[in-house]
Amino acid sequence: KQEVTQIPAALSVPEGENLVLNCSFTDSAIYNLQWFRQDPGKGLTSLLLIQSSQREQTSGRLNASLDKSSGRSTLYIAASQPGDSATYLCAVYNTNAGKSTFGDGTTLTVKP
Amino acid sequence: GAVVSQHPSWVICKSGTSVKIECRSLDFQATTMFWYRQFPKQSLMLMATSNEGSKATYEQGVEKDKFLINHASLTLSTLTVTSAHPEDSSFYICSARLGGPKDTQYFGPGTRLTVL
Repeated sequence: KQEVTQIPAALSVPEGENLVLNCSFTDSAIYNLQWFRQDPGKGLTSLLLIQSSQREQTSGRLNASLDKSSGRSTLYIAASQPGDSATYLCAVYNTNAGKSTFGDGTTLTVKP
Repeated sequence: GAVVSQHPSWVICKSGTSVKIECRSLDFQATTMFWYRQFPKQSLMLMATSNEGSKATYEQGVEKDKFLINHASLTLSTLTVTSAHPEDSSFYICSARLGGPKDTQYFGPGTRLTVL
């Protein structure tokens, strides 16, 4: 059974800082991994999707890496802004199970 | 990219009534759709896997008679919460599986259910 853990559970940083969110998973036989953003009371916004054959994906100030062998992914946010404040979720998709498993999320607060 | 919609986006109902939530894949066919539930300040938990033309597979602890799932076509799955109670108040999110070379799940925007 796939288990996904996100550390830290909450993070508060001043505006402008670079930061890293962590996601680890127990079953390395994944097909892909997605990072999502969720604002309070809202649905999921897909940020980055990394296929199992890829090492990283970049979009603007976001960079996600994947190390399948060690069961880890990181989401790097550069020059954080107050608008980045949200909960960030990672989801691991296993083809053999045919479904995604979510971590509990990291709640990020960027202070002006 | 692949788009998944949900309707309604939010619903308020009285205790004891039934509520139906629709999930549609707008620009692709999905043989498999998934229903997740998210309680406040918690992550998404898979409720059931819905395969077109067959019965849904429910995760442990999810009552199949309470959460009725119908996947009648390749673009539509419905979740009916029967005899809803306040403890069923939650955020319900569906996803649709796009198979093939770029096999992945695409998620809907979610439906917020409040049972009074």
